[in-house]
Amino acid sequence: GAGVSQSPSNKVTEKGKDVELRCDPISGHTALYWYRQSLGQGLEFLIYFQGNSAPDKSGLPSDRFSAERTGGSVSTLTIQRTQQEDSAVYLCASSLLGVQPQHFGDGTRLSIL
Amino acid sequence: GEDVEQSLFLSVREGDSSVINCTYTDSSSTYLYWYKQEPGAGLQLLTYIFSNMDMKQDQRLTVLLNKKDKHLSLRIADTQTGDSAIYFCAETFTGTASKLTFGTGTRLQVTL
Repeated sequence: GAGVSQSPSNKVTEKGKDVELRCDPISGHTALYWYRQSLGQGLEFLIYFQGNSAPDKSGLPSDRFSAERTGGSVSTLTIQRTQQEDSAVYLCASSLLGVQPQHFGDGTRLSIL
Repeated sequence: GEDVEQSLFLSVREGDSSVINCTYTDSSSTYLYWYKQEPGAGLQLLTYIFSNMDMKQDQRLTVLLNKKDKHLSLRIADTQTGDSAIYFCAETFTGTASKLTFGTGTRLQVTL
């Protein structure tokens, strides 16, 4: 499709397991962002990619969180040893350049049991 | 620091105008945005304004920016039931690689 695509749309997993979330940005968009939306914290920035590089990782909450982007396109966000506080909706956005408006996917709702 | 505040809830009758307000504390913002979020969905970009502008109109939407008071508003004319959603204002700042800083969100309820 023409928009930002995220998968899975929902993920339920047990505490302590690793999870991978995927984001497929709009074709041609060089900038890609991950955000987290939770009841207690609202919408928080996690990481920004320009191409395959991540010049701003300042929002990653701990070293259990990592992300990569390959081919200047698809990105994966990995959470290791998940904790209950990781339960949230993880949103991905992309923009044509780093200063253009960001377009969001529908998110992955992550639930940690 | 960066702090963006919105009122939590607004209820309006169908056909009336809605005004959603946002205040921020950091004057170095570059762009200011309004996003709409419907249940179970991501964020839909509605409109945005550059920080050196004071008004932008786009069909039923009017954005007003008062830089002196650090106040941003979104007016929706002829509000419809399909406008019921959560509305977020957001900013980007010079030198922060365009990451968005979001407000707390305003839930708009449109009644018949």
